[in-house]
Amino acid sequence: AQSVSQHNHHVILSEAASLELGCNYSYGGTVNLFWYVQYPGQHLQLLLKYFSGDPLVKGIKGFEAEFIKSKFSFNLRKPSVQWSDTAEYFCAVISAGTASKLTFGTGTRLQVTL
Amino acid sequence: ETGVTQTPRHLVMGMTNKKSLKCEQHLGHNAMYWYKQSAKKPLELMFVYNFKEQTENNSVPSRFSPECPNSSHLFLHLHTLQPEDSALYLCASSPIERGGVYNEQFFGPGTRLTVL
Repeated sequence: AQSVSQHNHHVILSEAASLELGCNYSYGGTVNLFWYVQYPGQHLQLLLKYFSGDPLVKGIKGFEAEFIKSKFSFNLRKPSVQWSDTAEYFCAVISAGTASKLTFGTGTRLQVTL
Repeated sequence: ETGVTQTPRHLVMGMTNKKSLKCEQHLGHNAMYWYKQSAKKPLELMFVYNFKEQTENNSVPSRFSPECPNSSHLFLHLHTLQPEDSALYLCASSPIERGGVYNEQFFGPGTRLTVL
């Protein structure tokens, strides 16, 4: 069975600091990878996704993630965070090309201070 | 606005009550999902519907009963719940690619359920 690990449960950064949130998955086959964000009081929304091609994926609001197959990782990055990036971030994985279910990590709560 | 709506947004119920959660998607998707989101735990998939047919029941207790009358509507009927069932219940939908491949999911705002 596939699983997703997000090692940082709570991250506190000052505005303009750089961000990197870790995501590792366990699955031997080809995967599709996602980062979702949940702003306070709002619904989960897609930040970015990787299906194939360039392993460096750019998403909305200046976020990007790099798929490193050899490390089973899909870390999320942003060079300079803003106060409005305060939210919970979820990494998710699904086996590519199959009708299997999406598996989520436990989430990382990001708090950006002014 | 993701095109997935859920009602009610908040629900408080006693353990002997019967209530229903409603989800509606306006995206033309064919797959719909119920998830449970509890503090400090991963999102737990509960049910998956594919073209109105239930294709996954993730060992969910029978006090949760889903219903999918058509591809746009999904219900979760609740009865004799326990306090530990208090959580945020999320509905999602996704398109299905050729060959039955599920694509990215679009989530509703959730129903915050409190069981007293």
